[in-house]
Amino acid sequence: QKEVEQDPGPLSVPEGAIVSLNCTYSNSAFQYFMWYRQYSRKGPELLMYTYSSGNKEDGRFTAQVDKSSKYISLFIRDSQPSDSATYLCAMRFGNEKLTFGTGTRLTIIP
Amino acid sequence: DTGVSQDPRHKITKRGQNVTFRCDPISEHNRLYWYRQTLGQGPEFLTYFQNEAQLEKSRLLSDRFSAERPKGSFSTLEIQRTEQGDSAMYLCASSSHRDAQGADTQYFGPGTRLTVL
Repeated sequence: QKEVEQDPGPLSVPEGAIVSLNCTYSNSAFQYFMWYRQYSRKGPELLMYTYSSGNKEDGRFTAQVDKSSKYISLFIRDSQPSDSATYLCAMRFGNEKLTFGTGTRLTIIP
Repeated sequence: DTGVSQDPRHKITKRGQNVTFRCDPISEHNRLYWYRQTLGQGPEFLTYFQNEAQLEKSRLLSDRFSAERPKGSFSTLEIQRTEQGDSAMYLCASSSHRDAQGADTQYFGPGTRLTVL
């Protein structure tokens, strides 16, 4: 079993919809939680980072962490075609390597 | 300097050949990481440096792989006697312990796509 599980999709939603992306994890030592966006054949781009449990909002993006359930989410409001990409959750404990999910491929349909 | 750069962006080689990739981190970032990403998977950790010291190596990093960061700035990743299973995107990331967010956030380069024929 992988330390971080993420539904690979693909996920297709109409423009303007709310998108919900999720990851579960097994290692309770993880403290830092990130969401990266990756366009085809490009490097991952940091979207959101959260330390420990709680919510964080940045524009149309909201990240949630529930450490008691070992579950993290990313919500995208008013989705745009430019949001079409692969979304990777990542996490770590301390200042060390990131452990990634497999990524969810998202398509926003105009 | 606006981000992490990697060179080359693409490399096609024949099985058995040696290849070397370069990563230039964001200026003054003291930590540098190498990851490998295969199709449909998330990046997997290979190794990381703090300044010039290599602090951790994954068991994915076989004896054919070696990484260096001789002056604590740029880094190289060499693969000897390449195999078809080495075909992947090799990603470099850098971070600073003085990250303003206090998160030691890792910023990724565009990657080097390796194809072994």
